[in-house]
Amino acid sequence: DQQVKQNSPSLSVQEGRISILNCDYTNSMFDYFLWYKKYPAEGPTFLISISSIKDKNEDGRFTVFLNKSAKHLSLHIVPSQPGDSAVYFCAARSSFTGANSKLTFGKGITLSVRP
Amino acid sequence: GAGVSQSPSNKVTEKGKDVELRCDPISGHTALYWYRQSLGQGLEFLIYFQGNSAPDKSGLPSDRFSAERTGGSVSTLTIQRTQQEDSAVYLCASSLAEGQVWPNEQFFGPGTRLTVL
Repeated sequence: DQQVKQNSPSLSVQEGRISILNCDYTNSMFDYFLWYKKYPAEGPTFLISISSIKDKNEDGRFTVFLNKSAKHLSLHIVPSQPGDSAVYFCAARSSFTGANSKLTFGKGITLSVRP
Repeated sequence: GAGVSQSPSNKVTEKGKDVELRCDPISGHTALYWYRQSLGQGLEFLIYFQGNSAPDKSGLPSDRFSAERTGGSVSTLTIQRTQQEDSAVYLCASSLAEGQVWPNEQFFGPGTRLTVL
């Protein structure tokens, strides 16, 4: 039973255009959401996050939107750059698990930005 | 400063052998996590250490898997009698203790790619 779903395995966009990466979750106890970026042979690196008390968080070219009623979040990258080409993981956590802030990850989306 | 390091970066072993994977967390990080990523899957939580508290082992897939954290720093994940389905990338992450900072980002190491033949 996958609690965090990234249904599109890959996305290809033209440099300069917007990339929209989607993520759905099923566990209503999740109250904090994160996006990680992963290059080959490297560990995931934190990109941006959002708390369930917000519906938008912006950091430079990256914006994450959260729709709690739909249990859906999306990552927008604009403008997209070739260096953004990587695997993007959506992750979620629940403060109700106590001190263990374990993350539940989706399967990832491979983003390719064409020059 | 130094990030999370893991060794070895790659490990090839034969079915039935035991393997040990090592993680050196960021200095000062009291929380340590092990995850694994099987082919085509997301990262799967395995085990969590926080200071001197009993570890949360709820993610370990079988009793062949165990982990230790010595002195609150270095951690070793041991897989006994490895099976082919154990083949995956094993990732370690560390963070500050919960409540010290918000948001409490987890920093990941580069992972150990385990291949069981």
